[in-house]
Amino acid sequence: AQTVTQSQPEMSVQEAETVTLSCTYDTSESDYYLFWYKQPPSRQMILVIRQEAYKQQNATENRFSVNFQKAAKSFSLKISDSQLGDAAMYFCASRGYQKVTFGIGTKLQVIP
Amino acid sequence: NAGVMQNPRHLVRRRGQEARLRCSPMKGHSHVYWYRQLPEEGLKFMVYLQKENIIDESGMPKERFSAEFPKEGPSILRIQQVVRGDSAAYFCASSPTGSRDSPLHFGNGTRLTVT
Repeated sequence: AQTVTQSQPEMSVQEAETVTLSCTYDTSESDYYLFWYKQPPSRQMILVIRQEAYKQQNATENRFSVNFQKAAKSFSLKISDSQLGDAAMYFCASRGYQKVTFGIGTKLQVIP
Repeated sequence: NAGVMQNPRHLVRRRGQEARLRCSPMKGHSHVYWYRQLPEEGLKFMVYLQKENIIDESGMPKERFSAEFPKEGPSILRIQQVVRGDSAAYFCASSPTGSRDSPLHFGNGTRLTVT
C-alpha cells in the first residue's frame, strides 16, 4: 500500500524568492519512483520532476529541485527564483508496482 | 506527437443518465489510468488498464462504473445512472510501459456535472 501526504494546503511566495513544498510518503515497496506534478488553472497535469528511490543524488530540473530524504520518507520540492507562471496546484506522487498514488496537493500563490 | 486526448472537455448529464468519457493515449502508450479529482481531495485512482485488459480496478466503485481499453480505439470510462456525487473532473493518463520509472502523461480531463 502507498500513501502520500501533503500537509500544506496553500503556500505563497514573493516573485523571485524561493519556496519549498513538503511531501511525505509511505510505501511497502523497496523499488519506487517519486514525482512532482504541476496543475495550473488550465487543469493540465504537467510533470515537473522525478526521483528514483535508489538514487541518493537529489534530482534537479532548472529552477526546480528536490530534497529526498529516504529514511524519513520525505520528498520536498524547492522552487527557486519563483515566477508568476509557477502559480498552480502541485501534487506529489509515488509510483510503485502498477499503481501511482497522489497527495491532495498544495496550492502555490506567487505574489508580484 | 499528440498528447493524451480526452473528450468531451465538459459533460453535463441529468441524474439517471449515462456518461461516457473517452481517452486516447499518447502514440505508443499501451497503459491507461483513470483518476477522479474532487476539490480538496487531490487525484483518486480509479482503474488501470492495458490493451484489452483491466489490470487494477480497486479504486473504481463496483456499481455503475466500468472501464475498457479495446484493441482498437480509445479507452472508455462509463458511468451508468449518474448521481450528483459523480460530479468531478475525470483525468486519464497514459504511459508507454507499466514500469516504475515511467511517468504518467495526462490529458486535460473531462469535467462531469450532474444536474
